[in-house]
Amino acid sequence: GEDVEQSLFLSVREGDSSVINCTYTDSSSTYLYWYKQEPGAGLQLLTYIFSNMDMKQDQRLTVLLNKKDKHLSLRIADTQTGDSAIYFCAESRENNDMRFGAGTRLTVKP
Amino acid sequence: NAGVTQTPKFQVLKTGQSMTLQCAQDMNHNSMYWYRQDPGMGLRLIYYSASEGTTDKGEVPNGYNVSRLNKREFSLRLESAAPSQTSVYFCASSFRNTEAFFGQGTRLTVV
Repeated sequence: GEDVEQSLFLSVREGDSSVINCTYTDSSSTYLYWYKQEPGAGLQLLTYIFSNMDMKQDQRLTVLLNKKDKHLSLRIADTQTGDSAIYFCAESRENNDMRFGAGTRLTVKP
Repeated sequence: NAGVTQTPKFQVLKTGQSMTLQCAQDMNHNSMYWYRQDPGMGLRLIYYSASEGTTDKGEVPNGYNVSRLNKREFSLRLESAAPSQTSVYFCASSFRNTEAFFGQGTRLTVV
């Protein structure tokens, strides 16, 4: 969706960190999400952050939110080949409307 | 626990044919959504339903209609299919603004 923007491709080597960036436009968004989609499957929630938080860490995943710049990032530490997938940033709005970015295809090279 | 179930998984239509995509959730969620996924464009919201009895247009509603039959079911109808509607369609549900759960998708080809 045009309201949420992310780069389309990212390639990293196994063991490196991956950083996927996202910008959104609706300052009233209450939750921001990262979803993962593996080939032929639906989307699965990886993590989310409430709009009044700056950072959230969950094992290898770190989410950073800069609300002033409307910028969200997802860092995956020690990236593995099993992390290869498409990652979607999404925002939810007060009217229950949820909008997604175009998705970033992460390729992890051995 | 089935979660979100979509049918059919695959469908081929001829231009001008009609069909209905079915979606049901068993999580007692209030909100349900229909998205289409096209390469390089991510998921685009077609319609959503914030609660039983209400539906609202999303980003790309033209050519589609929806029905929130009850709290469990939210169907998407193509009255006269066009090749531009070739896509993968996902149904999702959520409890208000929390995590959305997705179905496995319907791959639709219009020839």
